[in-house]
Amino acid sequence: GQNIDQPTEMTATEGAIVQINCTYQTSGFNGLFWYQQHAGEAPTFLSYNVLDGLEEKGRFSSFLSRSKGYSYLLLKELQMKDSASYLCAVNGGATNKLIFGTGTLLAVQP
Amino acid sequence: GAGVSQSPRYKVTKRGQDVALRCDPISGHVSLYWYRQALGQGPEFLTYFNYEAQQDKSGLPNDRFSAERPEGSISTLTIQRTEQRDSAMYRCASSEGIPGGMNTEAFFGQGTRLTVV
Repeated sequence: GQNIDQPTEMTATEGAIVQINCTYQTSGFNGLFWYQQHAGEAPTFLSYNVLDGLEEKGRFSSFLSRSKGYSYLLLKELQMKDSASYLCAVNGGATNKLIFGTGTLLAVQP
Repeated sequence: GAGVSQSPRYKVTKRGQDVALRCDPISGHVSLYWYRQALGQGPEFLTYFNYEAQQDKSGLPNDRFSAERPEGSISTLTIQRTEQRDSAMYRCASSEGIPGGMNTEAFFGQGTRLTVV
């Protein structure tokens, strides 16, 4: 089977750093994606990892360990506008379909 | 077009009617995905295409659901004999590349909100 797990909700303070974890079990792997989704809007692409290690893009970084089936999204210098759902997705399975986790709802508080 | 376009944005239909949801991907994008998303949940995979070929339809809930992409561009998701449980946001996404290759990030449309009454 294929499974993607991430925490349901997280709360953090403006200006702080937050790490959102994702674990996955898929029969194949061709990359892991992080998306941001604000309420009532479409998901938007944040990052992509296919090799082990850290990818940094401004305030956002994403890490992947393929051997552990683990990724995290790191958000620095949190802003109120970062309050959103963060979705972990994997290209996996026999057909490389793109599968999403249930998302982590992040609330940034003043 | 500049982005993924879905139509209609909202559809209200009576139980038992058929509906067709349209997705116009970003021009030149090879892969096209259909998802269903419930409130507070992540997108649930339905089916996807590379060019005109349906690569995986394992997420379609039952045989009332079907999808096609006959010319490798516009796609239609059809739901026959709709039921109230079909009410949801249906999202389409497209990517320039195929899974495992380059440029595989998916771009989402605004979705079609389907309500079956």
